[in-house]
Amino acid sequence: AQKITQTQPGMFVQEKEAVTLDCTYDTSDPSYGLFWYKQPSSGEMIFLIYQGSYDQQNATEGRYSLNFQKARKSANLVISASQLGDSAMYFCAMRFTSNTGKLIFGQGTTLQVKP
Amino acid sequence: GAGVSQTPSNKVTEKGKYVELRCDPISGHTALYWYRQSLGQGPEFLIYFQGTGAADDSGLPNDRFFAVRPEGSVSTLKIQRTERGDSAVYLCASSFSSASEQYFGPGTRLTVT
Repeated sequence: AQKITQTQPGMFVQEKEAVTLDCTYDTSDPSYGLFWYKQPSSGEMIFLIYQGSYDQQNATEGRYSLNFQKARKSANLVISASQLGDSAMYFCAMRFTSNTGKLIFGQGTTLQVKP
Repeated sequence: GAGVSQTPSNKVTEKGKYVELRCDPISGHTALYWYRQSLGQGPEFLIYFQGTGAADDSGLPNDRFFAVRPEGSVSTLKIQRTERGDSAVYLCASSFSSASEQYFGPGTRLTVT
């Protein structure tokens, strides 16, 4: 079965420190894409970063990087130099086939950045 | 440019009533998706449009749910005979193609009383 698992319901991090949010997935499909979205209390889903299953290098976007370990089927999000505005819910998602593009989401992790 | 917009932002309706939720995608995006998000959960896929046609409606929970996109732009999600279990935030997303990242709207919070 195709499944996304986020095992950390809530995380705390001190401002300016780095934090890693875990995501594991399960699929037998060799071609897939991994996404991370941020959802602040306002409710809008904000796209952060993307990693394709065939990409050789880990994706990076500013302070966000994706630690992609294909053999372990994990795609952890690393946020460096945390800011107060990073406090939000974070969702890992997977697209299992480019034919439809539908995303399957994990349960989410709530991140709180402490001043 | 303008992002994905959804109207209304909030909708309260009585059990058994009919509701329509509207989504305006980003201009030029051919792919459009509807998701449903219950409190404390990740979004769940409902339906995907490529152009005017529903390419994947495998996530629609039952035949009370229906969606259209007649001109390949604006989409309407229609729910008949609403039930209290339909209460959720309904999210719309669009992308340039099915292989591109999806951009989400602010959602419509539906409450069925």
